[in-house]
Amino acid sequence: DGGITQSPKYLFRKEGQNVTLSCEQNLNHDAMYWYRQDPGQGLRLIYYSQIVNDFQKGDIAEGYSVSREKKESFPLTVTSAQKNPTAFYLCASSTPRGAQETQYFGPGTRLLVL
Amino acid sequence: LAKTTQPISMDSYEGQEVNITCSHNNIATNDYITWYQQFPSQGPRFIIQGYKTKVTNEVASLFIPADRKSSTLSLPRVSLSDTAVYYCLAHTGGFKTIFGAGTRLFVKA
Repeated sequence: DGGITQSPKYLFRKEGQNVTLSCEQNLNHDAMYWYRQDPGQGLRLIYYSQIVNDFQKGDIAEGYSVSREKKESFPLTVTSAQKNPTAFYLCASSTPRGAQETQYFGPGTRLLVL
Repeated sequence: LAKTTQPISMDSYEGQEVNITCSHNNIATNDYITWYQQFPSQGPRFIIQGYKTKVTNEVASLFIPADRKSSTLSLPRVSLSDTAVYYCLAHTGGFKTIFGAGTRLFVKA
């Protein structure tokens, strides 16, 4: 089955620690996105990538980093510089189709700080 | 980027039709209107998309008036499993897609 997988489902971070969230898709989509969702809130864009080896900052990129070495993979690292990392993290992918583009989301990773 | 406004929450009962209206007064000519559904602790999923008039699929209908300044998502005969957050987006795609807080629909027995 085609889809997006995120791992782990839950992740615990200690103070000063970097952690990496995995996102893999087998939909052959060019574009991939990382969003952060806080309780009761909408989704905020962290980073996006429209093609391999290229990515751009979204609205809240500070304290996060990404890489896009393969079309299928777009891992997100939450660095120690992100002072309030507790949130639900969602990865999405799409095939650019202009205004008719729709995004496919993974199941999410919930990050908690110990 | 077109800003959308939708009710924060709505309540309904099983078997009723639910209409969620979204306002997008500054929608651009090229923008499409897309609705997503999100269950707790899951990623959003696409429901329906349209540009103007009426679009219907197996899940919902989308009504868009001629001026396109608003749109209405219609869910026929809701069930408890339709309890979710519904997001309305007016966008030109890609990184310009903005998810607001959405409408929390609570379906009661």
